[in-house]
Amino acid sequence: SQTIHQWPATLVQPVGSPLSLECTVEGTSNPNLYWYRQAAGRGLQLLFYSVGIGQISSEVPQNLSASRPQDRQFILSSKKLLLSDSGFYLCAWSVSPLSGSPLHFGNGTRLTVT
Amino acid sequence: DAKTTQPPSMDCAEGRAANLPCNHSTISGNEYVYWYRQIHSQGPQYIIHGLKNNETNEMASLIITEDRKSSTLILPHATLRDTAVYYCIVTPFGNEKLTFGTGTRLTIIP
Repeated sequence: SQTIHQWPATLVQPVGSPLSLECTVEGTSNPNLYWYRQAAGRGLQLLFYSVGIGQISSEVPQNLSASRPQDRQFILSSKKLLLSDSGFYLCAWSVSPLSGSPLHFGNGTRLTVT
Repeated sequence: DAKTTQPPSMDCAEGRAANLPCNHSTISGNEYVYWYRQIHSQGPQYIIHGLKNNETNEMASLIITEDRKSSTLILPHATLRDTAVYYCIVTPFGNEKLTFGTGTRLTIIP
């Protein structure tokens, strides 16, 4: 069966520090991968999605970046965190939603920038 | 891309059926309707999806109107654990981008 792992579960970082959040998927090949962010009390904001290695689509221009160095690995990074980067970061995967396959979410990383 | 419209909040008595509506009047013929829910402080959970026909699984039923412009998610016997934000989304034709609206906050009343 397929599983998705996200870590860390919680993170407290000072303003201006770097960030690296990692997400891996097991049990499937060539998944579509997604990063979402949810600010406190708000809805889900799509940040990046990827349909293959090295293929990243950015939805929100900001100080975050994403990379997909391996088929089932998706990394969210920042060189310098801002206070506004605080939130709940969620990684998700699917085979292909266009063909009727749903998104499967990880348990998320709660990031607090101080 | 097809957009969805949902009421911001709903209440339902425990043990009753919860019926959550979603409007997607600009949906195209080969776009799927998906439902997810998010319990506080957790990642969203997939519930059900459909294209044209009504669907049922162990969690819920999905009723899609014949013109496909709206749908209803039915939780047949709501429990307190069903309190969550419910999202209805439509897959956009031609790309893999999936965006979520603000959903419906469903509160089950004891």
